[in-house]
Amino acid sequence: TQLLEQSPQFLSIQEGENLTVYCNSSSVFSSLQWYRQEPGEGPVLLVTVVTGGEVKKLKRLTFQFGDARKDSSLHITAAQPGDTGLYLCAGATGSGYALNFGKGTSLLVTP
Amino acid sequence: NAGVTQTPKFQVLKTGQSMTLQCAQDMNHEYMSWYRQDPGMGLRLIHYSVGAGITDQGEVPNGYNVSRSTTEDFPLRLLSAAPSQTSVYFCASSFSGTSGAKNIQYFGAGTRLSVL
Repeated sequence: TQLLEQSPQFLSIQEGENLTVYCNSSSVFSSLQWYRQEPGEGPVLLVTVVTGGEVKKLKRLTFQFGDARKDSSLHITAAQPGDTGLYLCAGATGSGYALNFGKGTSLLVTP
Repeated sequence: NAGVTQTPKFQVLKTGQSMTLQCAQDMNHEYMSWYRQDPGMGLRLIHYSVGAGITDQGEVPNGYNVSRSTTEDFPLRLLSAAPSQTSVYFCASSFSGTSGAKNIQYFGAGTRLSVL
């Protein structure tokens, strides 16, 4: 059962463009995380959001957790080729350790 | 600064063979888990453990066994490999703490398995 739906699945843009990736669910999450995965590597955590409505910024990346804690977005400003990778959102329910992952958004930024 | 170490990095098996994927972490994390990653399917949880001696099933446990005899190690066993188990396998660990922090997963580099 895929609790988290990510969109778009693929995104190809040119350097300097802005983009937004969405992560949606009908379930409420106690926390939501965004990971980035490069080819041949494991996912690496970018950010964790815990509070509904929370906004976190990481340089050119802005993460937002929905007020109802069911959805999240990742916005990248002025994308660079180094942003290329697979972006995964993952949600935790209740107080459990296990995460539910979305299928990911594959981003390609060309010079 | 090893973190989560997975071995081997690559493996080719014939149908019916058995093997063990190794995972070790040196961060004293209580929670460890195994995921498989397939194209278009994202990461799916196979088994997880909340501490030594405690394991539980995830979303796709069939055909896999795990055990957790120490905090550091969490091996994944394929009992009789099938082509459907061709995938990239990731081990992850996390520490206990506040509700947001304890879900942060640290991943190994993965084991790429092909079953012919």
